Amino acid sequence: KQEVTQIPAALSVPEGENLVLNCSFTDSAIYNLQWFRQDPGKGLTSLLLIQSSQREQTSGRLNASLDKSSGRSTLYIAASQPGDSATYLCAVNLDSWGKLQFGAGTQVVVTP
Amino acid sequence: DAEITQSPRHKITETGRQVTLACHQTWNHNNMFWYRQDLGHGLRLIHYSYGVQDTNKGEVSDGYSVSRSNTEDLPLTLESAASSQTSVYFCASSESKSGVNEQFFGPGTRLTVL
Repeated sequence: KQEVTQIPAALSVPEGENLVLNCSFTDSAIYNLQWFRQDPGKGLTSLLLIQSSQREQTSGRLNASLDKSSGRSTLYIAASQPGDSATYLCAVNLDSWGKLQFGAGTQVVVTP
Repeated sequence: DAEITQSPRHKITETGRQVTLACHQTWNHNNMFWYRQDLGHGLRLIHYSYGVQDTNKGEVSDGYSVSRSNTEDLPLTLESAASSQTSVYFCASSESKSGVNEQFFGPGTRLTVL
């Protein structure tokens, strides 16, 4: 069974520092991997999707890498801002139809 | 803009009652999913559908049912609500045809079973 782990569970950084969030998965046979952001009491917002054939994906200050062979993905957020405070979730897509297996998330606090 | 809506946003019910949570998407996506989110368990898949008249059980389907009569809606029914079903429920949708399959989520329904 695919297991998805996110370490650390919580992270606090001062404004301006770069954020590095880790996601690992046990089975490399994934269709794609998606990173989400969740604000307290809200739904999930899709940040980036990396196809299994890709090594990385970028959107603004966000960059996500994927190493299927080692079962790892990393989300980098450059020059963090207080508005980046949220929980970040990674999820692997198990097949071409869209079933997602989620990690437990990393709760990020960016202090002014 | 296309979106996913869920209703109600908050619901309090009693043990043993039947409860239906609504999910409506205007993306015209063929795939729809229901998840529950609990502290210590993260998000877990309850049921999913790959098209009209298609439904499938997920990881935690006991006590839940869904039906898909059109593309836009996938209601989730709790047949006889139990306190263990107190949770936040999220509906999501995605489209397989392009091969990308990015999943989009609704705002969630917070259900309390007393």
